[in-house]
Amino acid sequence: KNQVEQSPQSLIILEGKNCTLQCNYTVSPFSNLRWYKQDTGRGPVSLTIMTFSENTKSNGRYTATLDADTKQSSLHITASQLSDSASYICVARGSTLGRLYFGRGTQLTVWP
Amino acid sequence: DTEVTQTPKHLVMGMTNKKSLKCEQHMGHRAMYWYKQKAKKPPELMFVYSYEKLSINESVPSRFSPECPNSSLLNLHLHALQPEDSALYLCASSATGRTNLMNTEAFFGQGTRLTVV
Repeated sequence: KNQVEQSPQSLIILEGKNCTLQCNYTVSPFSNLRWYKQDTGRGPVSLTIMTFSENTKSNGRYTATLDADTKQSSLHITASQLSDSASYICVARGSTLGRLYFGRGTQLTVWP
Repeated sequence: DTEVTQTPKHLVMGMTNKKSLKCEQHMGHRAMYWYKQKAKKPPELMFVYSYEKLSINESVPSRFSPECPNSSLLNLHLHALQPEDSALYLCASSATGRTNLMNTEAFFGQGTRLTVV
């Protein structure tokens, strides 16, 4: 069964601290994996995309890793800011018709 | 232009009304999607159009009727909805399987917040 599991479900950190969000997927055949940031009531915004041949990719304060052997990905946020408070969703894309499989998201709250 | 534009942003409708949600993209994407998202839940796939043809219908009730009049537009016609249909409706687009899927990205619109009263 194609699934995407994320942990933790929610996370509270202080401004300026770092954090790491986890994603495990069982999507097969696998095309790529993307991390999205979604503010409440808004559409998801892409942070980074990973294919099975890539291990690490950075986008500013966001660094994503992918281990295609263990089917695990992580999103590391450095020097968190209040505006980072949002839901972070891991989405694995299957190769069949490009179907997207969504994780339930990690709700991140950054406190001053 | 990497935008997917959805209109309206907010919609309140009665259970006997007929309304339509609209989605537009000009990125040349030939795959377009409708998702439904309830609060604190991940988006749930409703429909997929590939090259203007309906390729996936996730057993969505017939009160939701999708339409893809051309490669840039996607509509969702609503009729006789129920209060439990209230949700954020997201449109997305991406390149299709006939191109290199390795780096294809799904772009989402900002959504239409639908309330059925």
